[in-house]
This record gives sequence, structure tokens and C-alpha cells, in this order.
Amino acid sequence: DAGVIQSPRHEVTEMGQEVTLRCKPISGHDYLFWYRQTMMRGLELLIYFNNNVPIDDSGMPEDRFSAKMPNASFSTLKIQPSEPRDSAVYFCASSFFPTSEYNEQFFGPGTRLTVL
Amino acid sequence: KNQVEQSPQSLIILEGKNCTLQCNYTVSPFSNLRWYKQDTGRGPVSLTIMTFSENTKSNGRYTATLDADTKQSSLHITASQLSDSASYICVVSWSWGNTPLVFGKGTRLSVIA
Repeated sequence: DAGVIQSPRHEVTEMGQEVTLRCKPISGHDYLFWYRQTMMRGLELLIYFNNNVPIDDSGMPEDRFSAKMPNASFSTLKIQPSEPRDSAVYFCASSFFPTSEYNEQFFGPGTRLTVL
Repeated sequence: KNQVEQSPQSLIILEGKNCTLQCNYTVSPFSNLRWYKQDTGRGPVSLTIMTFSENTKSNGRYTATLDADTKQSSLHITASQLSDSASYICVVSWSWGNTPLVFGKGTRLSVIA
């Protein structure tokens, strides 16, 4: 398996533009997570899905952020309109349904977003 | 408030030396604690996972310890190598399985020759 795949790896855009980040989880995984990482705040959970259904979106910073998972193999995180403070590295992670306390999340390589 | 605090923020050591990274948490109830290694420009990769009933777990030159009573964990790296240079992140879960997670801000380790 190729692991969690994210695209693009780097995105530079201007303030006010729409940004769409994409994620393909590991085949067979039931959970998908979107995280944001900054130097100041570290890793923060934005939203996670179980079987394509959003379970907890309390980490989504504001209405400008939205996430979808139309099927088991694809998810998007959209920011509209983007702002300079959205600049960060966005990670997608996936895991199996928790059958034990040792269930692991596997992270993608991340998308580095820069909003000018 | 559920929090995970890590120390030091950064650390520089000579190749071949040992080091210990610290993690204190206030997450309650506690389910499990994980240490992740994050290389520059890459996603975090799991090193160890421990439940409340475990007090030590090893992965090669990495050994994690857990004291659930004092809510402290440490990650000990033995005979450090240049490839150990990375950020090490402590992550705590208060529910069974892997959600939700509370992340520390990490310790940036630099191993120099």
C-alpha cells in the first residue's frame, strides 16, 4: 500500500482565494482525520470521519473551513476564502476501526499551505 | 482542561550520546499515550503506544516509560544517531482506541557529529 496520499504537497495562494486539499486514505481504513500543524500551536485536530460520516468537527476554526468525504477513498478540506493566518501544514491521517487500544493512525506527508 | 506539556522544547546532543525527553499530561480519564517521531517535511510516525497498565515499552533504541499516577512519560533514546534528528511528539488519548487525541507541541532534537 502506498500509505496515505495527499495533494498537493505545496500550495501557495493569495488571500481570498479558495483552496482545496485532497486526501486518499489507506484502503480499508474506517477513520479519516484532518489536522493542522503550526509552530505556535503544534498539531490540532480539525475534523474526523468514521465510515465517511463526519463525527467531530469541533476543531474546525470557522465557517470558512469545510470538509467532505464522498466515499471511502477520498476526502477534501476546503478553505474559502483563505486568509494569511491559515498558512500551516495540513495533515490527513487514517486508521482502522478501533478494535483495541493500540490502533494506530497513519499520517500522510502533509500539504504546506502558504496564503499571501 | 486536557493538556500535554513536553520538555525541553529543543535539544542538541552529540552523536552516540543518550537523551531523555519528558511529557506531562492532564488528560483524564486516561486511555493510552503515544510517542511519535516527525522528520522535517514529513508526517508523524508512531514509535510506541502504552496503555495505563503498561509502564515501559521499547522500540529499538527508543524506550518509553509511563507513570500513570504522576501522569508523566519519558522517551529515552540510546546511542543517538544523526537520523534521530527530528521532532518527538507526545500524544494522549482519553478514550478507547485512537480518538480523540491531545497532542503536545513536541521536542525538537538535533543530533550533531
